[in-house]
Amino acid sequence: DADVTQTPRNRITKTGKRIMLECSQTKGHDRMYWYRQDPGLGLRLIYYSFDVKDINKGEISDGYSVSRQAQAKFSLSLESAIPNQTALYFCATSDLTGELFFGEGSRLTVL
Amino acid sequence: AQSVTQLGSHVSVSEGALVLLRCNYSSSVPPYLFWYVQYPNQGLQLLLKYTTGATLVKGINGFEAEFKKSETSFHLTKPSAHMSDAAEYFCAVSLSGGYNKLIFGAGTRLAVHP
Repeated sequence: DADVTQTPRNRITKTGKRIMLECSQTKGHDRMYWYRQDPGLGLRLIYYSFDVKDINKGEISDGYSVSRQAQAKFSLSLESAIPNQTALYFCATSDLTGELFFGEGSRLTVL
Repeated sequence: AQSVTQLGSHVSVSEGALVLLRCNYSSSVPPYLFWYVQYPNQGLQLLLKYTTGATLVKGINGFEAEFKKSETSFHLTKPSAHMSDAAEYFCAVSLSGGYNKLIFGAGTRLAVHP
């Protein structure tokens, strides 16, 4: 089984719908992240959490929210999806050097 | 604030040729530096990282990178490209000292042709 698991792997939805992407990890890391990948832009940080009680905005948090339900679980929500949120989303955990361990990604299409 | 610049969004080499992917960073404190690879339809996996110590770092699949503080660079090399090296490569930087978020470059797509 993967150390970092994302669900769903693929999702197509319509503008205005609420979407939740879920992430769970078995690495035992306190630090978890949500990134968004768009062609030519690399990975951009949406939100990150250094422990269960610590949630921080990244560089592109507008339109997104997160919930850290437990050390192992970190979910990303789009309250009202819009087409420019169509992207590949990655959850990751990290050790103390910052090395990231990625899930396999969730491809979201907003029509 | 730290940042990463990858020179060349696309690089094409012949099988057996040298691979050189360029990465320059800016950081106000000693950085930790990383190269990740992403194969088609997959997540990212670590190729190699520099934290402290030896500036020439060897990674998986025959790749290596050298940290050059004076040039603020961390270029990725492989002496002989293989078809299986075709992928997208990302350079990333984080701050040392325990506070760290990775900041990624825009990525370089490597094509290997026969």
